[in-house]
Amino acid sequence: GESVGLHLPTLSVQEGDNSIINCAYSNSASDYFIWYKQESGKGPQFIIDIRSNMDKRQGQRVTVLLNKTVKHLSLQIAATQPGDSAVYFCAERDDNTGKLIFGQGTTLQVKP
Amino acid sequence: DTGVSQDPRHKITKRGQNVTFRCDPISEHNRLYWYRQTLGQGPEFLTYFQNEAQLEKSRLLSNRFSAERPKGSFSTLEIQRTEQGDSAMYLCASSPRGQGGYGYTFGSGTRLTVV
Repeated sequence: GESVGLHLPTLSVQEGDNSIINCAYSNSASDYFIWYKQESGKGPQFIIDIRSNMDKRQGQRVTVLLNKTVKHLSLQIAATQPGDSAVYFCAERDDNTGKLIFGQGTTLQVKP
Repeated sequence: DTGVSQDPRHKITKRGQNVTFRCDPISEHNRLYWYRQTLGQGPEFLTYFQNEAQLEKSRLLSNRFSAERPKGSFSTLEIQRTEQGDSAMYLCASSPRGQGGYGYTFGSGTRLTVV
C-alpha cells in the first residue's frame, strides 16, 4: 500500500491497497483529535477520533495513530475502496469552546 | 430531524450586495458553529453560539459579518457589502455541549460566489 511520511496534498492508490494519510497539528496542548472525510459538495463527515492519552485507535477499516512528540497524526485506511475517494482533514478541538482547527487536507484518489 | 440543514445551497451575488444564510441545527444540540472554507483549504472557524449566546468570534469575522441565534435554535449569518474575497463555502455545525467527535455534525454548506 501507499504510505507517506510527510503531508501530501494528493494521494493516489490502487483499489484494495492500504492508504496512509498524514497530518501535523499545531497546539501541543490539544487533547482531542478527529479525522474528517469531505466529499465534493458536502460538509465534513466524522470518521474517527482519538484522545491525547492514547496513541492508537481502531475503527472499521480505519486506524488513527497519534504521535504527540512530533505533533503528528495519521489515518490508515485498509483495503481502500472507490467510495473512499474524498478529501481528508485532521482537526484538533479546543476543549473549552469545542471549535475545530483543521489541518491541511489530502485528496485521496482510488484507482480501479 | 436528520441532520444540520443549510439554506440556500448556492448563492451568487453582486459585489456590494448583502446576503443572509440560514442554519438549522440538530434540535437537541445547544452549540452551533459557523466555519468558512475556501477552495483547497480546511474549514476555518468564524463564530459559535451556546444556546442564544454568541461566545466567540474569530478575527476572520470582520464588521461586515454578523451572526445571530435568536431563540437558541436556528442561526443566520449575514454578510453586508459583499466583496469578491467573501466567495467561499460557509459551513454550519452543531453539537451537544462537550462533544467534539461523533456528535459534532456539519451541514452541507452554502456556497457563496461574489461577482
